[in-house]
Amino acid sequence: QVQLQESGPGLVKPSETLSLTCTVSRYSINSGYYWGWIRQPPGQGLEWIGSIFHTGGAYFNPSLKSRVSISLDTSKNQFSLKLISVTAADTAVYYCATGSPLLYWGQGALVTVAS
Amino acid sequence: DIVMTQSPATLSVSPGERATLSCRASQSVPSYLAWYQQKPGQAPRLLIYAVSTRATGIPARFSGSGSGTEFTLTISSLQSEDFAVYYCQQYNDWPWTFGQGTKVEIK
Repeated sequence: QVQLQESGPGLVKPSETLSLTCTVSRYSINSGYYWGWIRQPPGQGLEWIGSIFHTGGAYFNPSLKSRVSISLDTSKNQFSLKLISVTAADTAVYYCATGSPLLYWGQGALVTVAS
Repeated sequence: DIVMTQSPATLSVSPGERATLSCRASQSVPSYLAWYQQKPGQAPRLLIYAVSTRATGIPARFSGSGSGTEFTLTISSLQSEDFAVYYCQQYNDWPWTFGQGTKVEIK
C-alpha cells in the first residue's frame, strides 16, 4: 500500500516560512491521486490545507490560499508544502495524505511556531 | 464552503452498546461523504467512504448511512479499540471540509 512520510523543521520563527516535504513510497505520484496536506492544531480538529493533482492542478483552503503553495517533485516522488508569514496560530501537526477521500496518511509532523 | 456539523460533541457509551454519530452538511454533498477514526497520537484512519462503503479492513460493526445533507455513522457493538474521535468529511466540492469531531468515550 502507499506509504507517506513527512519531513521538515519542527520549529519555525514567526513571520518566516514553514516548509514540509512528503516522501511517497510504493506508488508513483505521476500515476494519479490527489496529494494533499491537512493540519491539526493541538487539541483541535482537522483542517484541510490543500491538494494537488498529479497533473499539477491544485486547490487550497480559502482561509490559507494567500499564504500556501503545494508542489510536486516527480523525480524524487515527493510533494511539498510551503506556508509563508506564519504565526503561533499555525502551530499544528501537519499530515500529508492522498486519495479521494483520504485513504493513505503520513504519521504527521509537529511544527511549532515560536521565537 | 460546505460546513460540516457533527453531533454530539461527546458520546459516552458502555462497551458492547451501540453508538450513533451524526453529521450534517450545510448543502447537499450527494454521496461524497467519508468518516475517519482518530486515536491519540495517531493519524486519522479512513473508515467509510461514499456514505456507506467500508474501507479495506474495517470491521462490519461500522456502518454508514444517509444522503444529501444528513449522515450517520453507527458502531453496532462498541469494542475497547473503538473509543476514539470520529470525523466526517465532504469531498464533493472544494474546499474539502471536516466536521469538528465526535469523541466516543467509555461510560
